[in-house]
Amino acid sequence: EVQLAESGGGLVQPGGSLRLSCAVSGFTLSSYDIHWVRQATGRGLEWISAIDKTGGTYYPGSVKGRFTVSRDNTKNSVYLQIDSLRAEDTAVYYCARRAPGSQSYSDAFDIWGQGTMVAVSS
Amino acid sequence: QSVLTQPPSVSGAPGQRVTISCTGTSSNIGTGYDVHWYQQLPGTAPKLLISSNTNRPSGVPDRFSGSKSGTSASLAITGLQAEDEADYYCQSYDSRLRGSVFGGGTKLTVL
Repeated sequence: EVQLAESGGGLVQPGGSLRLSCAVSGFTLSSYDIHWVRQATGRGLEWISAIDKTGGTYYPGSVKGRFTVSRDNTKNSVYLQIDSLRAEDTAVYYCARRAPGSQSYSDAFDIWGQGTMVAVSS
Repeated sequence: QSVLTQPPSVSGAPGQRVTISCTGTSSNIGTGYDVHWYQQLPGTAPKLLISSNTNRPSGVPDRFSGSKSGTSASLAITGLQAEDEADYYCQSYDSRLRGSVFGGGTKLTVL
């Protein structure tokens, strides 16, 4: 079964750091781009990063410089390092797979993980 | 303020047809970038409902359909069922922001 599973969330103080993991199974990670999307409680979805098959990384301006996405295909995992955490980073963080056949740039996300909660509070 | 604009809520009775609009601009939908739709049931991760404007992934009922024209896209749901009650999101790519963008989401209530 094709699956993604996030882990690493938790309660962190403002200014702290966290590394989220996305473990994949049921498909060959090296053949896919992976995205991260977050959702604050009661709010909508926000795209926050992507890493393509070649290791190229992409971020929106709102998180660039604080978020770092990486991948280790040998461990079937993708990681999201979040530094200088702020209260507004409190959200459920999802990893999602780029759907095969997606138009260049406009990726559809066909498989999602269950999400991991990050809470930033003192 | 989301880059793609959706109505906050829509509602319909069982069996009826509802549509959810997604309005963009010349830097996203209007440029020709594909629009995708997701269904999010309470407490669960989003699920891909429509990809590339009109394509239904395997397992998605044909009661769900998508369309796109100009700077807008729409999701139509026919034969509304209680289980369709969920939040729906559109998504595309924005060339000015250089990244994926989502609509603010629409809550569908089945009366």
